Amino acid sequence: DAGVTQSPTHLIKTRGQQVTLRCSPKSGHDTVSWYQQALGQGPQFIFQYYEEEERQRGNFPDRFSGHQFPNYSSELNVNALLLGDSALYLCASRKVGGSPLHFGNGTRLTVT
Amino acid sequence: AQSVTQLGSHVSVSEGALVLLRCNYSSSVPPYLFWYVQYPNQGLQLLLKYTTGATLVKGINGFEAEFKKSETSFHLTKPSAHMSDAAEYFCAVSAAGGTSYGKLTFGQGTILTVHP
Repeated sequence: DAGVTQSPTHLIKTRGQQVTLRCSPKSGHDTVSWYQQALGQGPQFIFQYYEEEERQRGNFPDRFSGHQFPNYSSELNVNALLLGDSALYLCASRKVGGSPLHFGNGTRLTVT
Repeated sequence: AQSVTQLGSHVSVSEGALVLLRCNYSSSVPPYLFWYVQYPNQGLQLLLKYTTGATLVKGINGFEAEFKKSETSFHLTKPSAHMSDAAEYFCAVSAAGGTSYGKLTFGQGTILTVHP
């Protein structure tokens, strides 16, 4: 049973560029959450998707956007990249009314 | 609003010694509480969770935690440390129920070092 899978594992971008990160939830899960983990910090909640809609959002600017597809997979898009966007981006999934969050191994984004 | 404070960014113990990682939370609603572990270059793995019911919860790898509402604490313990326990540990809180369960507020993390 595959867990949460994220792609790519590493990514290097230049300031001002745009990036798309992808996530496939654990089988049977229908909700996807995204987190940003800066070096030496705890993860910070970006947003959560359920039934293809953004349900909750953390304190992140509109440059951060997302999407959930009918097969429950999800994308995180970041526009106009800043150096401060360099971080590990974690995707987590769960089934509403069921399990706690299961995390993927993350995408390491470096902005130069 | 919710917040988590983990006391001690680094904890060092000898193999076989007691592990105690401290977590205090703040929540305006009944909380769900979690401990996650993160090994280098990996995601987070759930150790244990408290939702309702018994306040002493047991998790994987011999870890347990006790929810103390009066002290707003959820400290993680393990009676005997093993070298494989060396990792970073995160305490997290969420509001109970529904889609709130997907929004966790994490502490800053505690790096556990285990000496032979």
